[in-house]
Amino acid sequence: KAGVTQTPRYLIKTRGQQVTLSCSPISGHRSVSWYQQTPGQGLQFLFEYFSETQRNKGNFPGRFSGRQFSNSRSEMNVSTLELGDSALYLCASSLGVRAEAFFGQGTRLTVV
Amino acid sequence: QKEVEQDPGPLSVPEGAIVSLNCTYSNSAFQYFMWYRQYSRKGPELLMYTYSSGNKEDGRFTAQVDKSSKYISLFIRDSQPSDSATYLCAMISGGSNYKLTFGKGTLLTVNP
Repeated sequence: KAGVTQTPRYLIKTRGQQVTLSCSPISGHRSVSWYQQTPGQGLQFLFEYFSETQRNKGNFPGRFSGRQFSNSRSEMNVSTLELGDSALYLCASSLGVRAEAFFGQGTRLTVV
Repeated sequence: QKEVEQDPGPLSVPEGAIVSLNCTYSNSAFQYFMWYRQYSRKGPELLMYTYSSGNKEDGRFTAQVDKSSKYISLFIRDSQPSDSATYLCAMISGGSNYKLTFGKGTLLTVNP
């Protein structure tokens, strides 16, 4: 059974640009959530989607947005990139509320 | 006070030692608990998932939950150099919103 797939694995962007990250969940999983991981803050919740609806959102500015498609694949977009957005962005999928969450390998974003 | 507190370590033990990793939490709404292992430059890997007070064992790993004290632990028996990684505790509330709240992680090194 294939795991959670995130693309691309690495990205280098310039300040002010925008970026789109992609996540394909485990087959059958309808919940996809996104996290930002930095050395200083650890893993912080960005948002969660279930059946194309955003159910929960973390404390991040509106520059961070996402969506989920009918096949449960999800994308995350960050606009007007700042240096502080450099981080490992992780996607997790699960069957639903309170089920185990399985993570992808992450996308390492560097903003220069 | 942070919702989840985890000693960041680093923790260094000899091969074969019993390792104890701990997290405390302040939010009594947390009902579901997970432990993840994260190797450098990789996504977190789910090790244990528990939702009731008491012990749950899986091979060399035992997860312990004490909801009355708001304290969870992960024990690793017969530790191996391949166990060297960062260990993260994570929690979910019992509500309908799916959001993992993580500890900062404990860096473990098992020396051969």
